[in-house]
Amino acid sequence: DAGVTQSPTHLIKTRGQQVTLRCSPKSGHDTVSWYQQALGQGPQFIFQYYEEEERQRGNFPDRFSGHQFPNYSSELNVNALLLGDSALYLCASSCIPGRGDQSDTQYFGPGTRLTVL
Amino acid sequence: GNSVTQMEGPVTLSEEAFLTINCTYTATGYPSLFWYVQYPGEGLQLLLKATKADDKGSNKGFEATYRKETTSFHLEKGSVQVSDSAVYFCALSLYNQGGKLIFGQGTELSVKP
Repeated sequence: DAGVTQSPTHLIKTRGQQVTLRCSPKSGHDTVSWYQQALGQGPQFIFQYYEEEERQRGNFPDRFSGHQFPNYSSELNVNALLLGDSALYLCASSCIPGRGDQSDTQYFGPGTRLTVL
Repeated sequence: GNSVTQMEGPVTLSEEAFLTINCTYTATGYPSLFWYVQYPGEGLQLLLKATKADDKGSNKGFEATYRKETTSFHLEKGSVQVSDSAVYFCALSLYNQGGKLIFGQGTELSVKP
């Protein structure tokens, strides 16, 4: 059973550029959440996708956007990159709350390390 | 608001020592509580969880009990190993918020042989 996968593993960009990160959820999961983890900090919630729509959003600017595809995979897009966007970006998958005993458990991928120069 | 507070690290222990990492939370409602572990250069792995008061989560010798009266979920292990060296994150989620996780700042554990 494949777990959550993310690509690419590492990425280096310059200020002002745009980046797209990709995530495939764990088999059987239909909900994808994205988190940003700055160095030495806990992950911060960016947004969550279910049924190809953004269900919730954390305190992140509109430069951060996402998409979910019919096969439940997801992309995170960041426009106009800033130095402060350098972080580990984590994708987590789960079942929608209320469906199954494990519906409130999120499983994380290995992350994409983004460096903005 | 909803938040999680963990004891500051780093925590340095000798092999076979007893481990406690404190975690307290503030939440509007009845959260589920989690401990995740992050090994160097990796993503987060679920270590254990508890979904209601007095539940005890356990895995790989680690335990944590959901204490509603003290709003705590402290992580314990009776005898740590060098391989337990990692960063540990306490987190909560609320059903009415779609299950998004709110994390503490993490506690780094270093176990010396």
